[in-house]
Amino acid sequence: DTEVTQTPKHLVMGMTNKKSLKCEQHMGHRAMYWYKQKAKKPPELMFVYSYEKLSINESVPSRFSPECPNSSLLNLHLHALQPEDSALYLCASSQGDHNEQFFGPGTRLTVL
Amino acid sequence: GQSLEQPSEVTAVEGAIVQINCTYQTSGFYGLSWYQQHDGGAPTFLSYNGLDGLEETGRFSSFLSRSDSYGYLLLQELQMKDSASYFCAVRPFNAGNNRKLIWGLGTSLAVNP
Repeated sequence: DTEVTQTPKHLVMGMTNKKSLKCEQHMGHRAMYWYKQKAKKPPELMFVYSYEKLSINESVPSRFSPECPNSSLLNLHLHALQPEDSALYLCASSQGDHNEQFFGPGTRLTVL
Repeated sequence: GQSLEQPSEVTAVEGAIVQINCTYQTSGFYGLSWYQQHDGGAPTFLSYNGLDGLEETGRFSSFLSRSDSYGYLLLQELQMKDSASYFCAVRPFNAGNNRKLIWGLGTSLAVNP
């Protein structure tokens, strides 16, 4: 299994909703990432988990809350989002010092 | 600071060869990577240069020259399906083991018939 899966593919939520994005990989990778990507821009790093511990938080607002329940799963809990948070949310994983990161297909999030 | 510069857009025709350059200003890094992203899709890894020189993978090749602070992605025998955005990325030494990539702004490649 050489893929990263993400659910849901699309999500529309109001500013008062609570929702969660899910990511799973079974490649044995020990680093997992959340990125946010706006149209025509590069991915913007949000969080990095290394060996199931949060190692990077890129000053992300607290309305985004990551969770790593085990080495294969990564969640992103969303609460009280703003319309400007609408974007493609990408999960990725990697192993070793190589730069190669494997990306999931992303969740297209729309905040109304 | 650390930055990577790429052309914003490149246009070519099927069967042609195109080179996408990436120039950088960073004190040191582990290697230069290239990612491809089709509209509506996720980035996919194309190549990695840890050392200076040319790496070849099928129709795609990538080159790095640390002395010139420069790298490029070479796409040969262009096909319509190569129309996509291409990003160069590096992991700076000061990222330690945190695996944070610095990304270029991306080059939108349009391949025309």
